Amino acid sequence: EVQLVESGGGLVQPGRSLRLSCAASGFTFDDFAMHWVRQVPGKGLEWVSCINWNSGKIAYADSVKGRFTISRDNAKNSLYLQMNSLRTEDTALYYCAKDINVYYYGSGSSFDYWGHGTLVTVSS
Amino acid sequence: QSVLTQPPSASGTPGQRVTISCSGSSSNIGTNTVHWYQQLPGSAPKLLIYTDNQRPSGVPDRFSGSRSGTSASLAISGLQSEDEGDYYCATWDGRLNAFYVFGPGTKVTVL
Repeated sequence: EVQLVESGGGLVQPGRSLRLSCAASGFTFDDFAMHWVRQVPGKGLEWVSCINWNSGKIAYADSVKGRFTISRDNAKNSLYLQMNSLRTEDTALYYCAKDINVYYYGSGSSFDYWGHGTLVTVSS
Repeated sequence: QSVLTQPPSASGTPGQRVTISCSGSSSNIGTNTVHWYQQLPGSAPKLLIYTDNQRPSGVPDRFSGSRSGTSASLAISGLQSEDEGDYYCATWDGRLNAFYVFGPGTKVTVL
């Protein structure tokens, strides 16, 4: 059974940093691209970032570019999101999601498995 | 403000057919496949339709998708009470720095 379990969320002051983790199991982690998607409570979904199977290709939404860094450790079956210079508008539930396609993300990407999310609250 | 447009709400009685539209442009739906996600209250999103009209294993055939030009649609036939929730379309956007985009979501209510 595929499982994605996020952790690392919490309350943080504006300008500070936080690192999210996603532990994956039930599939060959290093075969698939992975994504982070966030959702402000009560609002819609926003794609945040993605990384291909070997970390050779990475992309970010404009809203987080230069502040967030996605990474993965295939030996640990884990995905990460380092979030720096956090803003109040980054407050959201952050989901880890698996790409349906093997190795690469791109046109045709969809997310066939999602975690339950970890809540990040940025407030003074 | 999403680059994809969905109606904010849709409703029907049990057994009815409900259709949700998703409108985009040549840089997204016009050139890339569309996917649909279902989010039931209090739950994470779930992939409902991928690559325009493909259903993942376990998704009932009551759900179907289509794409034409710069628009796509999701149809729910034989509406059931457990279908009540939010539905999002999504696709890749070929514009620089846009990447993956979601629609604003449509709340489906079963009357």
